[in-house]
Amino acid sequence: EPEVTQTPSHQVTQMGQEVILRCVPISNHLYFYWYRQILGQKVEFLVSFYNNEISEKSEIFDDQFSVERPDGSNFTLKIRSTKLEDSAMYFCASSEVRSNTGELFFGEGSRLTVL
Amino acid sequence: QKEVEQNSGPLSVPEGAIASLNCTYSDRGSQSFFWYRQYSGKSPELIMSIYSNGDKEDGRFTAQLNKASQYVSLLIRDSQPSDSATYLCAVVMDTGRRALTFGSGTRLQVQP
Repeated sequence: EPEVTQTPSHQVTQMGQEVILRCVPISNHLYFYWYRQILGQKVEFLVSFYNNEISEKSEIFDDQFSVERPDGSNFTLKIRSTKLEDSAMYFCASSEVRSNTGELFFGEGSRLTVL
Repeated sequence: QKEVEQNSGPLSVPEGAIASLNCTYSDRGSQSFFWYRQYSGKSPELIMSIYSNGDKEDGRFTAQLNKASQYVSLLIRDSQPSDSATYLCAVVMDTGRRALTFGSGTRLQVQP
């Protein structure tokens, strides 16, 4: 069964360091998303990506965040200068169609710990 | 006002009983509604989608939608211990954000 894969599963970094989280969406999917979940809190939308550009972003997704699809398979989230409050589980998701008419398939997540 | 609201629980039901999970949303024009299940430490997994008023059944799960009351529910019949998880209500709103907006989830515990 096709799945979304994410690496690394866990990353520990020092405050102020850059972090890149990687995702391989399901191969025939066209829409890609990053969500995050701070421990004990709800799943929060960060950004959606379609046709090699951001289609929507939340207020959380500020200038410290960027996304990229560097090749035909990977989808990355970069945090330029991490803060303590960036510590969370980051989920990548993909869908064949836009989320309002299709289902999102989530990866297993990348846990980011900022010290 | 919270966009998608759920009782955090825990909701505790005995094995074999019906579990009823509820969700309200603020955007009256919302058209698409989803229930996701999230086991502890895992990612969300879609269980049901519903777009029209009324009931939609899939196996032991029934989603119910009442747009006039801005209310979505999920019924789980014959609850099993393996159903113990957090159930997330998610909505695509009509105004503003188009991406899925999640509620904070209701934790369900099914007692064997």
